[in-house]
Amino acid sequence: DAMVIQNPRYQVTQFGKPVTLSCSQTLNHNVMYWYQQKSSQAPKLLFHYYDKDFNNEADTPDNFQSRRPNTSFCFLDIRSPGLGDAAMYLCATSRGISDTQYFGPGTRLTVL
Amino acid sequence: QQPVQSPQAVILREGEDAVINCSSSKALYSVHWYRQKHGEAPVFLMILLKGGEQKGHDKISASFNEKKQQSSLYLTASQLSYSGTYFCGTTTPPGMTTDSWGKLQFGAGTQVVVTP
Repeated sequence: DAMVIQNPRYQVTQFGKPVTLSCSQTLNHNVMYWYQQKSSQAPKLLFHYYDKDFNNEADTPDNFQSRRPNTSFCFLDIRSPGLGDAAMYLCATSRGISDTQYFGPGTRLTVL
Repeated sequence: QQPVQSPQAVILREGEDAVINCSSSKALYSVHWYRQKHGEAPVFLMILLKGGEQKGHDKISASFNEKKQQSSLYLTASQLSYSGTYFCGTTTPPGMTTDSWGKLQFGAGTQVVVTP
């Protein structure tokens, strides 16, 4: 089945220790998104790629970076995680901008 | 700008109906509805693209009033499986601003609890 896969599902890191979250898709969608979702809040868009074009949200901290080496994979790098970065990180894909977004299962990040 | 959802929460008995509203201060291009269960990813329910469009998914349906810049989600004869948080996501028309084109702005969510 075509799908959006995120690894790992749970990630524990230490304050300031870099961490990388991964997302892969078999939908062959052009657009890939990274969202941060904290408890009882709506998903907040961090950035998205349209093909190789990277679009950063104005309020996304510099601590967050992303890479998309090919159509199928996208990575979220958190260079120096703080306690406030503990959250669920959701990857989503869509065929085009404004089309339906399909979410992966998410990675729950804990920062100790 | 984030759309406004109401109510914030609703408790239903199995078989009862509910309406969730989503309104925006900006002109809308599309409205997307998602349901998220605790600890899981949002699951797509439906997308509405044209003013006046109505769609249905099982006994969950939605309408989009483009002029009023709002959408409503209707839960009919609710089932236990309908419990979760419902989010609307809205997009603005192309040409409004390049910054916001195509990006989903999620509402704060409506928590729905269906009890036996």
